[in-house]
Amino acid sequence: QQPVQSPQAVILREGEDAVINCSSSKALYSVHWYRQKHGEAPVFLMILLKGGEQKGHDKISASFNEKKQQSSLYLTASQLSYSGTYFCGTEIGTDKLIFGTGTRLQVFP
Amino acid sequence: SQTIHQWPATLVQPVGSPLSLECTVEGTSNPNLYWYRQAAGRGLQLLFYSVGIGQISSEVPQNLSASRPQDRQFILSSKKLLLSDSGFYLCACLLRGRVAEAFFGQGTRLTVV
Repeated sequence: QQPVQSPQAVILREGEDAVINCSSSKALYSVHWYRQKHGEAPVFLMILLKGGEQKGHDKISASFNEKKQQSSLYLTASQLSYSGTYFCGTEIGTDKLIFGTGTRLQVFP
Repeated sequence: SQTIHQWPATLVQPVGSPLSLECTVEGTSNPNLYWYRQAAGRGLQLLFYSVGIGQISSEVPQNLSASRPQDRQFILSSKKLLLSDSGFYLCACLLRGRVAEAFFGQGTRLTVV
């Protein structure tokens, strides 16, 4: 049931781009994306509801494929502040909220 | 907007001692509430969730229990802690009936020694 994220870890230089994928064997009701800094609570980035939807703000965007089984998070021209662990989340039914396996992103100067 | 208060922030407890972590929510009513545990460098494991007072769903059979005595209060407990209970515990809130973002408390880092 848990969505699988890939890659598990990414190392970037400032200004480089990254893509993080979140895949499920079944269609997802929705996809949430969060970023967690070490020792802190996860922070909401965005949510996608519809197959084929794309959404973004600033240099972080996401897409949800037509079959609603995969979502990708796009980080463009990465900044040091982008470092952290990224989680996708999905709702099973209307009440259960579970998260993907996580992707650790490190951005270096 | 919603605010989640979670305490304590840090806790060191001996093996075999009891545990009580509390989470309260402000700014909303009738939310879904969740307890997650995160081992060092790992993902968010769903432990319990609740859709209303007294209603608890357990995801992972273990040494822990949860209760929801009031609409905006969620408590995680253990009668006897194990070393394997160490981790970062997070309480989260999701508005029921709406597809919306989850709000997290600041977490409790529990070390069982």
